[in-house]
Amino acid sequence: GAGVSQSPRYKVAKRGQDVALRCDPISGHVSLFWYQQALGQGPEFLTYFQNEAQLDKSGLPSDRFFAERPEGSVSTLKIQRTQQEDSAVYLCASSGTVNTGELFFGEGSRLTVL
Amino acid sequence: ELKVEQNPLFLSMQEGKNYTIYCNYSTTSDRLYWYRQDPGKSLESLFVLLSNGAVKQEGRLMASLDTKARLSTLHITAAVHDLSATYFCAVTRYTGNQFYFGTGTSLTVIP
Repeated sequence: GAGVSQSPRYKVAKRGQDVALRCDPISGHVSLFWYQQALGQGPEFLTYFQNEAQLDKSGLPSDRFFAERPEGSVSTLKIQRTQQEDSAVYLCASSGTVNTGELFFGEGSRLTVL
Repeated sequence: ELKVEQNPLFLSMQEGKNYTIYCNYSTTSDRLYWYRQDPGKSLESLFVLLSNGAVKQEGRLMASLDTKARLSTLHITAAVHDLSATYFCAVTRYTGNQFYFGTGTSLTVIP
């Protein structure tokens, strides 16, 4: 696609529910990142994929967070047993530019946990 | 952990004025990125600075990088209302590594 596409754009979940957030990166982009952005803050790194391999998951805040990219294209971020502190915008970014490493971001998925 | 600090955090300026946003980072890096974020929107790439002394300009914005001082600046010339947004700098140790973002500078340009 022309840009990074994320869905859903908005998600309201009751505490304890599981949620799944989808990211469709720019076609051909090898690298895919997930970031969490709290209100009024800069994005915080969650995890990184190169093709289907998850090379870094050091930013995932707990074992309730899980990400996958099984075919090296679309990625899903899953949050189990959501808590109020999980409320944030979840941004997906992809990169295919080896020289500059520039990231291209999607519009984000805004998660609100009640 | 690589830390990135921006200042000011909030900036209110009149149209037509000049100002500079500063971005300091804590660890050696020769890659620095500037992004713009409008409310409720995603991050738009503005500049990619890949070497010491790099300077890039686009319209009323100019970004520079001093890797020895671990400092980047984003200079705004003759501000206009359309520049109102939050500006983030981000640093990465190497291609493919995670980006470390600053806390952002919320810019409001007043007519």
